[in-house]
Amino acid sequence: DVKVTQSSRYLVKRTGEKVFLECVQDMDHENMFWYRQDPGLGLRLIYFSYDVKMKEKGDIPEGYSVSREKKERFSLILESASTNQTSMYLCASSLGQGVAGSYNEQFFGPGTRLTVL
Amino acid sequence: ELKVEQNPLFLSMQEGKNYTIYCNYSTTSDRLYWYRQDPGKSLESLFVLLSNGAVKQEGRLMASLDTKARLSTLHITAAVHDLSATYFCAAPSKGSGAGSYQLTFGKGTKLSVIP
Repeated sequence: DVKVTQSSRYLVKRTGEKVFLECVQDMDHENMFWYRQDPGLGLRLIYFSYDVKMKEKGDIPEGYSVSREKKERFSLILESASTNQTSMYLCASSLGQGVAGSYNEQFFGPGTRLTVL
Repeated sequence: ELKVEQNPLFLSMQEGKNYTIYCNYSTTSDRLYWYRQDPGKSLESLFVLLSNGAVKQEGRLMASLDTKARLSTLHITAAVHDLSATYFCAAPSKGSGAGSYQLTFGKGTKLSVIP
């Protein structure tokens, strides 16, 4: 079974703090993704990575950065947290395009509910 | 820019009834994904539809894909309370990097099955 884990289920931070959200997958997937989910807005892609050290902006990258130094780990960084970044953050991973058996199906972690005060 | 629209966004139905959720997407795609999310939980993959005319069924749920119409449907047969959840469809698009591939999700359909 694919397993995607996230470092925290719940996190409370103060405005202006630097926040790190960590995601680890154990299936040797090439692609990893960070989304945020807000009521009425669905899932919105923040950043994704299709290889180690390779990243691409999603729909809402402002205020976020990412790091992927190892294949299994993808970090989301909020350089200076703000109250409008209070949200549920979901990490996902998938096999790379062209990899045998890849259907680009994404597997999700349990989510981190971040509150910025 | 790929847009994915689901309807309805909210669905309240009685146990035993049938209903269909619709998913339209704006650009050509040969595959479509359905996910389920229970309250407070993450997304769980339900179906991966890989070609025009694809149909997949699991229990009381059946999904189909018409790539010409850019439409996928999720049909619920004889609904039971355990099917209460939010259902998302998603369509793929290529990113700018070689091998990069992402999904665009609909806003989700919140289904409540009432006894």
